[in-house]
Amino acid sequence: GENVEQHPSTLSVQEGDSAVIKCTYSDSASNYFPWYKQELGKRPQLIIDIRSNVGEKKDQRIAVTLNKTAKHFSLHITETQPEDSAVYFCALRSASKIIFGSGTRLSIRP
Amino acid sequence: KAGVTQTPRYLIKTRGQQVTLSCSPISGHRSVSWYQQTPGQGLQFLFEYFSETQRNKGNFPGRFSGRQFSNSRSEMNVSTLELGDSALYLCASRGQGDEKLFFGSGTQLSVL
Repeated sequence: GENVEQHPSTLSVQEGDSAVIKCTYSDSASNYFPWYKQELGKRPQLIIDIRSNVGEKKDQRIAVTLNKTAKHFSLHITETQPEDSAVYFCALRSASKIIFGSGTRLSIRP
Repeated sequence: KAGVTQTPRYLIKTRGQQVTLSCSPISGHRSVSWYQQTPGQGLQFLFEYFSETQRNKGNFPGRFSGRQFSNSRSEMNVSTLELGDSALYLCASRGQGDEKLFFGSGTQLSVL
């Protein structure tokens, strides 16, 4: 069935550096790819999404890239700040349902 | 506008019991999805309801069931609880034609 794999499971970066999280998927019919951020003890919230008709989308320090041929998409966070510390989930729509990756715990070192 | 509301916030049950969780979506949202969150497993899709009909179902055993009422509120039921059912159960609603999921705070279920 549909599947989305997310790497790495944990990531630690120095404040100010960039962080990259990658996801691969198997369902070639998927055309919507959101990213959710879950801070400790809080609910997941959408931070950015991309559709299959574009290859990249940016929102301030956050960007998402999509390679439909290779079936992978990535989240890029530049100039990381302490408030970026959270668990990040990639997701995609497959057969009208939204399925999630296993999450990446991002820690920002001062 | 009130957000997605889940009750109860915490539940402690013993093996073999059953449990019912409740989710009230954002006003006007007719789609409600349920997810199970466990450490290391991310968010596992349980099912989605739209206008009182189950639209999608994940790979969970038949012990997990749900329903949606005419006011779009949804309930999830787990029968014959097992230790492995201990998890945070999140529901999320979305508006018609909108892909964005709005999550509730979840129900933390502990099975002893």
